[in-house]
Amino acid sequence: GAVVSQHPSWVICKSGTSVKIECRSLDFQATTMFWYRQFPKQSLMLMATSNEGSKATYEQGVEKDKFLINHASLTLSTLTVTSAHPEDSSFYICSAIPPGLAGVLKTQYFGPGTRLLVL
Amino acid sequence: AQRVTQPEKLLSVFKGAPVELKCNYSYSGSPELFWYVQYSRQRLQLLLRHISRESIKGFTADLNKGETSFHLKKPFAQEEDSAMYYCASRGASNTGKLIFGQGTTLQVKP
Repeated sequence: GAVVSQHPSWVICKSGTSVKIECRSLDFQATTMFWYRQFPKQSLMLMATSNEGSKATYEQGVEKDKFLINHASLTLSTLTVTSAHPEDSSFYICSAIPPGLAGVLKTQYFGPGTRLLVL
Repeated sequence: AQRVTQPEKLLSVFKGAPVELKCNYSYSGSPELFWYVQYSRQRLQLLLRHISRESIKGFTADLNKGETSFHLKKPFAQEEDSAMYYCASRGASNTGKLIFGQGTTLQVKP
């Protein structure tokens, strides 16, 4: 089946620094990837839709200048948390949809997540 | 706006007991409904979707448009079913994005 990886799996950084998280589709090309944020024992909140070769589409309330998304290739999307602060500490999860499927057959495959701790 | 509600944060049952995890949705069109499961220390994975009308690991879910519900059911719970379960909906806009419910932790006791 389709595999999505994330790197790093966890990261600790100082307040004010920027952190980059990578999301890769390992055995398929993905024109669309999604970034979610999950707080402890809470739901996944969609942050943005990452589109290969174009600008990401952010959900309401998500700061695009804070969470920079770059989908430079068909297998890689990156999320950069700029000037991170403790309130940005969270679990960030990406997902991707394999190509060639339409409508109801589209299945999102999720990465294992990246835990970010900002001190 | 699209919304998914799972009213129970935690559902605890004994092994062999029936299980029903509730999910209600609000959407003006005809959404696609899904159940995802996250076992301990594992990634989120698709359990089943309403369009397939399938049974996976003994779980079934029926879309009830009148009640706008998509409850997940299993007649006899097993200990290995213990996990976090998320109900999700996807609108007809074909963007592919999913809206998740708050999640329900299912705890199956021996």
